[in-house]
Amino acid sequence: NAGVMQNPRHLVRRRGQEARLRCSPMKGHSHVYWYRQLPEEGLKFMVYLQKENIIDESGMPKERFSAEFPKEGPSILRIQQVVRGDSAAYFCASSPRNFGGNTIYFGEGSWLTVV
Amino acid sequence: KNEVEQSPQNLTAQEGEFITINCSYSVGISALHWLQQHPGGGIVSLFMLSSGKKKHGRLIATINIQEKHSSLHITASHPRDSAVYICAVNTGTASKLTFGTGTRLQVTL
Repeated sequence: NAGVMQNPRHLVRRRGQEARLRCSPMKGHSHVYWYRQLPEEGLKFMVYLQKENIIDESGMPKERFSAEFPKEGPSILRIQQVVRGDSAAYFCASSPRNFGGNTIYFGEGSWLTVV
Repeated sequence: KNEVEQSPQNLTAQEGEFITINCSYSVGISALHWLQQHPGGGIVSLFMLSSGKKKHGRLIATINIQEKHSSLHITASHPRDSAVYICAVNTGTASKLTFGTGTRLQVTL
């Protein structure tokens, strides 16, 4: 049973380009969460999705950021017109249910560098 | 003030020492997680607690709900335990985790 798979592991983008980060949850998990870790800062919640639904996006910046979790395929975190401040590690996590009482499983992270 | 506070921020220990990392939180929670993050690496969930104590190998985690405090203990520490240990809590909205800023542990020979 493969764990949470994220790709790419490392991504370099020039300012103004788009970044797409992908996350395949563990088999049987229908809940996906994205977190961001800025350099020298703690992790921050971004968005919580179930298949075809955004449940909670209160941690997402209002502009340039979007997330989806389609019926088929991985969850995608999309950052348009990237700026240097978007450079961070982006972690995806999944759980079989809303993890109020469940262990959460993290991916290895995607490190975005904006030059 | 952060909702989740960890101490110490940095910790250096010699191999074999007993290590304690503390986490205090100021909100009502449904569960508390201890996570491990290696340099440049991913995040591993070590424990999820809602009460009492859990043990896994050389790791022990305790939580006191009344005092809003949790501790992570490492017995007989080893250099491979060197990592950042992060405390995180599920608050009222179960979908969100609120994280502490982490404790950077280095265990030397």
